[in-house]
Amino acid sequence: AQSVAQPEDQVNVAEGNPLTVKCTYSVSGNPYLFWYVQYPNRGLQFLLKYITGDNLVKGSYGFEAEFNKSQTSFHLKKPSALVSDSALYFCAVRDIPYSGYSTLTFGKGTMLLVSP
Amino acid sequence: GAVVSQHPSWVICKSGTSVKIECRSLDFQATTMFWYRQFPKQSLMLMATSNEGSKATYEQGVEKDKFLINHASLTLSTLTVTSAHPEDSSFYICSATPRGRVNTEAFFGQGTRLTVV
Repeated sequence: AQSVAQPEDQVNVAEGNPLTVKCTYSVSGNPYLFWYVQYPNRGLQFLLKYITGDNLVKGSYGFEAEFNKSQTSFHLKKPSALVSDSALYFCAVRDIPYSGYSTLTFGKGTMLLVSP
Repeated sequence: GAVVSQHPSWVICKSGTSVKIECRSLDFQATTMFWYRQFPKQSLMLMATSNEGSKATYEQGVEKDKFLINHASLTLSTLTVTSAHPEDSSFYICSATPRGRVNTEAFFGQGTRLTVV
């Protein structure tokens, strides 16, 4: 069975500082990894994904994530945080190969609070 | 990117009534759609997998007679909460992945806030 761990319930960072939101995963095969962001009372917005290729993945709004197979991690990063980045962030994993459909397994979410 | 539209975005209903939530993929076809439930400040809990033209697959602990799912076409899935009670109040979210695209991400609807009074 696949699983995702987001060890931090909340991350606090000052605007302009770099941010990291941690994620580790467990899958039986090779993973598809995703980061989503959720604003209050809204659905999830896709930020970025790792399927294969370069371990450093760049996504929307200046976010990036680094896939580390040996540490089974996929931490989300941004060099300079904005107050508007404050939201709930979810890491998700999907097993491959694709078998008609594959369910996403989500982490519990990490609330990012960026202070002015 | 692909768009998934969910309607209504919020609904208030009386106990004992039924509520229907629609999930539409606007610019792609989806053989499979997923329904999630989210409690405040918590992660998404997969309720069921909606399969076009066949019965939905429910996760353990989810009452299929309570949460009726219909996936009548490749662009529409509906979730009906039957005989709603206050404990059914929650945020419901659907998602879909374009048919035939293996490496793509899932696209999510805006969510529906259900309040049962």
